Amino acid sequence: AQSVTQPDIHITVSEGASLELRCNYSYGATPYLFWYVQSPGQGLQLLLKYFSGDTLVQGIKGFEAEFKRSQSSFNLRKPSVHWSDAAEYFCAAHSGGYQKVTFGIGTKLQVIP
Amino acid sequence: NAGVTQTPKFQVLKTGQSMTLQCAQDMNHNSMYWYRQDPGMGLRLIYYSASEGTTDKGEVPNGYNVSRLNKREFSLRLESAAPSQTSVYFCASRHPKGEGDTQYFGPGTRLTVL
Repeated sequence: AQSVTQPDIHITVSEGASLELRCNYSYGATPYLFWYVQSPGQGLQLLLKYFSGDTLVQGIKGFEAEFKRSQSSFNLRKPSVHWSDAAEYFCAAHSGGYQKVTFGIGTKLQVIP
Repeated sequence: NAGVTQTPKFQVLKTGQSMTLQCAQDMNHNSMYWYRQDPGMGLRLIYYSASEGTTDKGEVPNGYNVSRLNKREFSLRLESAAPSQTSVYFCASRHPKGEGDTQYFGPGTRLTVL
């Protein structure tokens, strides 16, 4: 069955520190991959997406993600975290066409001063 | 261009009451989705409509019905609300076409069933 796994439910980092949020997928072929961010009380906002080509993709708010086929991973990174990055982050995938989107359970990021 | 809009933003129901959550998109997307979000469970798909005129069950359809009214609108109905349906509901839309194939979300409806 197709699945998206986010192994870290909760992560705490200090402001200014680097960040890496993990995402692994299980699909028959390489799916389209996405990261969304959800601030408290808000909807989901697209941070970035990977369809094909360059395995390092840049997104909004200074985020980037690297696709690694050999590890079935699509980890999200940011070099220096800001307090406003505190939110919940969701990794998602689908196989294109009319296939349903599969979401991970989310990683809640806490940023401490 | 408003994207995906949802009404209402908040709702409190008593057990057994019915209500309809409304969703509309102005991006000319073919596919629309209803999710519920509960703490520790991420987003779970309730129903989806791959294209106008079709609807299909997702992971957690029990207690819900949907109507794809036209290409723009996709409503979710709770016929007899139960406390287990207390949740945040998100509508999303998507147009399955190459690199534009991205799902966009509405702001959510926060529903409490007493």
